[in-house]
Amino acid sequence: QQQVKQSPQSLIVQKGGIPIINCAYENTAFDYFPWYQQFPGKGPALLIAIRPDVSEKKEGRFTISFNKSAKQFSLHIMDSQPGDSATYFCAANTGGFKTIFGAGTRLFVKA
Amino acid sequence: NAGVTQTPKFRVLKTGQSMTLLCAQDMNHEYMYWYRQDPGMGLRLIHYSVGEGTTAKGEVPDGYNVSRLKKQNFLLGLESAAPSQTSVYFCASKMRRDNEQFFGPGTRLTVL
Repeated sequence: QQQVKQSPQSLIVQKGGIPIINCAYENTAFDYFPWYQQFPGKGPALLIAIRPDVSEKKEGRFTISFNKSAKQFSLHIMDSQPGDSATYFCAANTGGFKTIFGAGTRLFVKA
Repeated sequence: NAGVTQTPKFRVLKTGQSMTLLCAQDMNHEYMYWYRQDPGMGLRLIHYSVGEGTTAKGEVPDGYNVSRLKKQNFLLGLESAAPSQTSVYFCASKMRRDNEQFFGPGTRLTVL
C-alpha cells in the first residue's frame, strides 16, 4: 500500500514532443505528490508538486495531471528540449516525514 | 548557503571494510534522510532522523547504522561492507513543516 508505481522505465522523444510519465498509488492517505528531476551525477531536485484537491497544475512547460478517483497522476513536458533529458521520479507523501518514491523514468530528448 | 553536502563523493571498499559517509546541511532543517539509489529501484530510504539525537529505520536499514549528534550532521555507517551495498547514496533534508526535500550530490560507493 505504500508503493508508488511509475512507468515507463525509459522514454525517448524528439525535440518538441510531449513525453508523459505516469504514476499510480494505493494509499489514500497520501496528500502531496511531488515530481523530482535528476540530472546525471547530481541529486534529485523538486520540479513541481500537486495536492489531491486540484486536477492539474502547470509550471512553465511542466504539467501535472491528477486523477484522485483513479489514484493516478502524470507529468507532461510540453515542447520538450534536449536539456530536459534527465531521470524523473514521482513521489507521494502523507504530510509527515516520509516520502515514497517511484522507480524513476529516464527521459532522453533527441535534438 | 552550501545546502546539503556529502563526503566523500566516491569510495571503493573491499568486502568487510567499514566506512562512514558524512552529510551536512546549513539550512537548519529538522529532518534528515539517507537513501540509496539503484537502477530500476528508485530511491529507497535507509534511515532517517526527525531531530538531533533521534534516528529511525527506513525501508532498507540492514547493514547500516546512523547517528545524528548535531542538528546539521547526519552520519551513515557501514560496519562490514558487502558487494550488495554497492550503490549511490543520497542524503536529504527538509524543514518539519514543509514537504520539499533537498538532496545532496550523492556518494558513489563500490564494494569489491
